[in-house]
Amino acid sequence: EAGVVQSPRYKIIEKKQPVAFWCNPISGHNTLYWYLQNLGQGPELLIRYENEEAVDDSQLPKDRFSAERLKGVDSTLKIQPAELGDSAVYLCASSFAGGTYEQFFGPGTRLTVL
Amino acid sequence: AQKITQTQPGMFVQEKEAVTLDCTYDTSDPSYGLFWYKQPSSGEMIFLIYQGSYDQQNATEGRYSLNFQKARKSANLVISASQLGDSAMYFCAMRVEISHGGSQGNLIFGKGTKLSVKP
Repeated sequence: EAGVVQSPRYKIIEKKQPVAFWCNPISGHNTLYWYLQNLGQGPELLIRYENEEAVDDSQLPKDRFSAERLKGVDSTLKIQPAELGDSAVYLCASSFAGGTYEQFFGPGTRLTVL
Repeated sequence: AQKITQTQPGMFVQEKEAVTLDCTYDTSDPSYGLFWYKQPSSGEMIFLIYQGSYDQQNATEGRYSLNFQKARKSANLVISASQLGDSAMYFCAMRVEISHGGSQGNLIFGKGTKLSVKP
């Protein structure tokens, strides 16, 4: 069974440029999470989807970050415009619905903003 | 506020020895879950072990065991017979199981402990 797929694995951009990250969860997992992991820190939740609905986006900086999960499968996280402080690893995770099941993580996208 | 504290930024252990990684948590909810994840240099978070707040016995998974002391709010990970491949970052996490504004199911992570296994 394929795991959570993320692309790209690495991205280097200039500040003020836009950037997008893509995540394909494990088949059958209705819940999808995006986490931000700064260097030397644990992951912090940005947004959680149940199917197409964003049920918790309280930690998403909505002035520059946006996310979508069309058709309740793949998801895209976008930053526009990127700032130097956005350099981090962006992790995607998925689980069965309801929030009571184990989360499976993808390999992450390491973003460097110059 | 719900919080996970890992006080050991780094730990060293000799190969084949046992090591304990500390984790304390803070929550006022009666129901919660505690997890340990391993993150090697490749970046992927790998699930190791889970303990539910109502579980009477400590969880075990192969060489991993969770020393759950509810009264002390601690959930330490014990790795027996350390192997070189155990060198990685280890994160303790707590799952919110009572919804606070839609947060049910969310994981709250500690800052992690970097484990280095010496040959």
